[in-house]
Amino acid sequence: EAQVTQNPRYLITVTGKKLTVTCSQNMNHEYMSWYRQDPGLGLRQIYYSMNVEVTDKGDVPEGYKVSRKEKRNFPLILESPSPNQTSLYFCASSPSLGDSTDTQYFGPGTRLTVL
Amino acid sequence: GQQVMQIPQYQHVQEGEDFTTYCNSSTTLSNIQWYKQRPGGHPVFLIQLVKSGEVKKQKRLTFQFGEAKKNSSLHITATQTTDVGTYFCAGYLGNEKLTFGTGTRLTIIP
Repeated sequence: EAQVTQNPRYLITVTGKKLTVTCSQNMNHEYMSWYRQDPGLGLRQIYYSMNVEVTDKGDVPEGYKVSRKEKRNFPLILESPSPNQTSLYFCASSPSLGDSTDTQYFGPGTRLTVL
Repeated sequence: GQQVMQIPQYQHVQEGEDFTTYCNSSTTLSNIQWYKQRPGGHPVFLIQLVKSGEVKKQKRLTFQFGEAKKNSSLHITATQTTDVGTYFCAGYLGNEKLTFGTGTRLTIIP
């Protein structure tokens, strides 16, 4: 089944404790992206990747890191989480970007709480 | 700041009534996509519009892309309880970033 998976789905942590949220897609998509969703603000892009070893900042990259060593995986790293990073996080992938037939496929989401 | 705005933020309608959400961009969009997110779920792609003035229909849903490619709308005729959720528009602002609107949360009163 074609899908985007994220782990963990739920996480409660404390300020300053490094964490990684994994994202994996099995559709051989080139483009992957991370979003955070907050009430009233919609979905805001954190980082995106056009292909392996190619990453770039989205609209709200501060406090986050990503890597793209393999095509299928795009982990999101919070080196020193803070309470303002409490949010619902979505990973997404698409075949490429800007093509008129491309859509974004979203993972199930990771609800993160930073105390 | 947010370059793609949606109104209204919330909409409560009686089952069977129509519903419309509007999406407005400060800059011209190369194309626009619409997504639906059910409560507790993740956004799911509905449709993409590319051409100026384009209109597409999916059963009770009608999507429009403005002539200037700066606005779009989603209209649902005769809403049903299965239409509950948050509807997002998303547009490419001429770069490689897909910018999402703020979303409209639709609730249905049975």
